[in-house]
Amino acid sequence: DSGVTQTPKHLITATGQRVTLRCSPRSGDLSVYWYQQSLDQGLQFLIQYYNGEERAKGNILERFSAQQFPDLHSELNLSSLELGDSALYFCASSGGPGRRAEAFFGQGTRLTVV
Amino acid sequence: AQKITQTQPGMFVQEKEAVTLDCTYDTSDQSYGLFWYKQPSSGEMIFLIYQGSYDEQNATEGRYSLNFQKARKSANLVISASQLGDSAMYFCAIPSGGSYIPTFGRGTSLIVHP
Repeated sequence: DSGVTQTPKHLITATGQRVTLRCSPRSGDLSVYWYQQSLDQGLQFLIQYYNGEERAKGNILERFSAQQFPDLHSELNLSSLELGDSALYFCASSGGPGRRAEAFFGQGTRLTVV
Repeated sequence: AQKITQTQPGMFVQEKEAVTLDCTYDTSDQSYGLFWYKQPSSGEMIFLIYQGSYDEQNATEGRYSLNFQKARKSANLVISASQLGDSAMYFCAIPSGGSYIPTFGRGTSLIVHP
C-alpha cells in the first residue's frame, strides 16, 4: 500500500460529460502530481500542486483543471470529455520536509469515455 | 530537460534466473535521483528502488538492485531469482526541474516463464 488513495477506481461516462477524480496523498506529503497513461502516449505528466499552489504544468488540456485543498487532497476535473480522454489517470505524492524525491502512486482511476 | 530512454520494449526470462532491464538518462543536473517503478497488469505503479547520483554504492532492495554507471548515464535494474509475479511493465524515472517532477521512460515489458 503506497498510502496514496484515489477514487473512483473505475469510471465510465459519455462524451461531453464532466468528471472529477479525487486523490488523497500520503500523510505528510506536500506535492501532488497528476499523470495520464494511455497506450500510445505512455505516462504523461499533467500538473503538480505543492502545498495548495500550482507548481508546474505539463501536457494538460484546457478542458482539464485541478486543485489542491487545504487538507492537501487534490481533485482533477475533466470536462467536455472526448473518446480520446479514455486512459488511466494517476495521482502521485512526494515531498515534505526530510523526504526523498521519489513519488508514490495511487492505484489509478481508469476512465472510459463512450 | 531530463530524458529517460528504455530501449527494450519487451524482455523474457526463465523463472529463477536474473534479468537486467536497461535505462539510460540525460540530465544537466549535478545532483539527481533515479527511480524504478513496476506496473503489473492490475495497473498500479509500485515504487521499487531509488539511486542517488552521489550515493557511493549501488542501491539494493531485496531482489532488486541498480547497476548505476554515472559516467555512462545508465541505471540498469537487475532482478535476481525472477519469479512469476515479476511479470509486469517496468519504468525508469528521473526527477525534472526544480519541482522534481518524475519523468518516465516508455517502459519495458518483462515476462517471466515458468
